Amino acid sequence: AQSVTQPDIHITVSEGASLELRCNYSYGATPYLFWYVQSPGQGLQLLLKYFSGDTLVQGIKGFEAEFKRSQSSFNLRKPSVHWSDAAEYFCAVASYSGNTPLVFGKGTRLSVIA
Amino acid sequence: DAGVIQSPRHEVTEMGQEVTLRCKPISGHDYLFWYRQTMMRGLELLIYFNNNVPIDDSGMPEDRFSAKMPNASFSTLKIQPSEPRDSAVYFCASSFDTVAADTQYFGPGTRLTVL
Repeated sequence: AQSVTQPDIHITVSEGASLELRCNYSYGATPYLFWYVQSPGQGLQLLLKYFSGDTLVQGIKGFEAEFKRSQSSFNLRKPSVHWSDAAEYFCAVASYSGNTPLVFGKGTRLSVIA
Repeated sequence: DAGVIQSPRHEVTEMGQEVTLRCKPISGHDYLFWYRQTMMRGLELLIYFNNNVPIDDSGMPEDRFSAKMPNASFSTLKIQPSEPRDSAVYFCASSFDTVAADTQYFGPGTRLTVL
C-alpha cells in the first residue's frame, strides 16, 4: 500500500523568501502525486498534480513541484512566498491504476512572517 | 457551480445525541468522499461512494457511524450516539471520474464538537 511522509510539521519563512516543503512517498510503481493546500477554516484545494511526463510540474499560485523517482520525493517549491501563502499543505499519493483512494500525508503548516 | 456544499458548518452537541452531517457534491461528479480531520490523526478517509453506491467503508471508525447517498446530489454522515472523541472537522469531497487520479473538490467542512 502507498504511504506519504511529510517530515516537517511546521515551517516558518519570511515574506519574499523561497520555500520548499518536503514530501516522500512509498509505492512500488510510478505513483500519481498531488499537493493540496488548506487555508484556515476552509477545505482543501488542489495546487498541482503529477501523473507522468515532465518531472517538474507547475501549479496555481506560483507553486511548482519536482518528482524525483530516485529519492521517492515530490517536494513543493515557491521562489517568493507571500503572506497569503500561510496555510496547511498536504502531499498525497495514489496508485498508478487510479482505482484506490488518495493517501494524504499529515500536512505541513506554513507560517509567513514579515 | 457553487462547489461542494456542506451543512451545518458548525455543530455542537452533547454526548449521546445523534448528529447528521450533510453534503451536496458538485453536479456531474461520480465520486463522493467523507473525511475526518483531527490534530492527532490528520486527514482520514471514512467512506467513499461511486454513483451513489458505497464502495469502501473500511475507514468508518465503528458502528456508530453510518453514511448514505440516496441520490447523486445528496449524502449524509450520521453519528449515533455521538461521543466526545468524535469531535473533529468532517469534510465532504467529490470528483468527476476516477477514485484517485481526478482532482477532488472539498467542501468547507463541518466542525463538530461533542461535549
